[in-house]
Amino acid sequence: DTGVSQDPRHKITKRGQNVTFRCDPISEHNRLYWYRQTLGQGPEFLTYFQNEAQLEKSRLLSDRFSAERPKGSFSTLEIQRTEQGDSAMYLCASSLGQGSNQPQHFGDGTRLSIL
Amino acid sequence: GNSVTQMEGPVTLSEEAFLTINCTYTATGYPSLFWYVQYPGEGLQLLLKATKADDKGSNKGFEATYRKETTSFHLEKGSVQVSDSAVYFCALFEAGGSYIPTFGRGTSLIVHP
Repeated sequence: DTGVSQDPRHKITKRGQNVTFRCDPISEHNRLYWYRQTLGQGPEFLTYFQNEAQLEKSRLLSDRFSAERPKGSFSTLEIQRTEQGDSAMYLCASSLGQGSNQPQHFGDGTRLSIL
Repeated sequence: GNSVTQMEGPVTLSEEAFLTINCTYTATGYPSLFWYVQYPGEGLQLLLKATKADDKGSNKGFEATYRKETTSFHLEKGSVQVSDSAVYFCALFEAGGSYIPTFGRGTSLIVHP
């Protein structure tokens, strides 16, 4: 049974560098979500896709953040010109269908540390 | 906008004690409500859910009842174990809206033997 997979698990980079994270959802899931989680806080919604369409991106934290899901399967989240405040855990989740009662399945996250 | 408020942690209990973690919400429509659990170094796992008023979600001895009149979804367990030590998140997901999920800030539970 393959759950949601995120890569890498940890990323350490210098301020100003670009980083890209990958998420592979559960194969039959059509919805894919990205969240940021900082210490002591709950997941903060960033964006989501239904198949390849990005249906909500107004919560992306700045124009340095972008996400893609080109073929409706895996997704990438890119942060350009990283800042120290970007240090956080980035979580991906996927779900099946369109209803509000469909639970999300989370990956283990990518922990980003900006030096 | 929607919001979820959870009781401050950490909640510290002895093994076999009764657990309650409070969760209240505000929403403009009729949300589905969820509890997720997060163990150290891992992502969130769904614990239970309820999709309409008066529904009771239950799993692994945990339960929560969707109370529309008090806009609450408190998590309870009759007898906690050391292995229940984790962070618990209450969340809502509103149908018919923009499908943006809202999570509480989490409540840490520490269970001592």
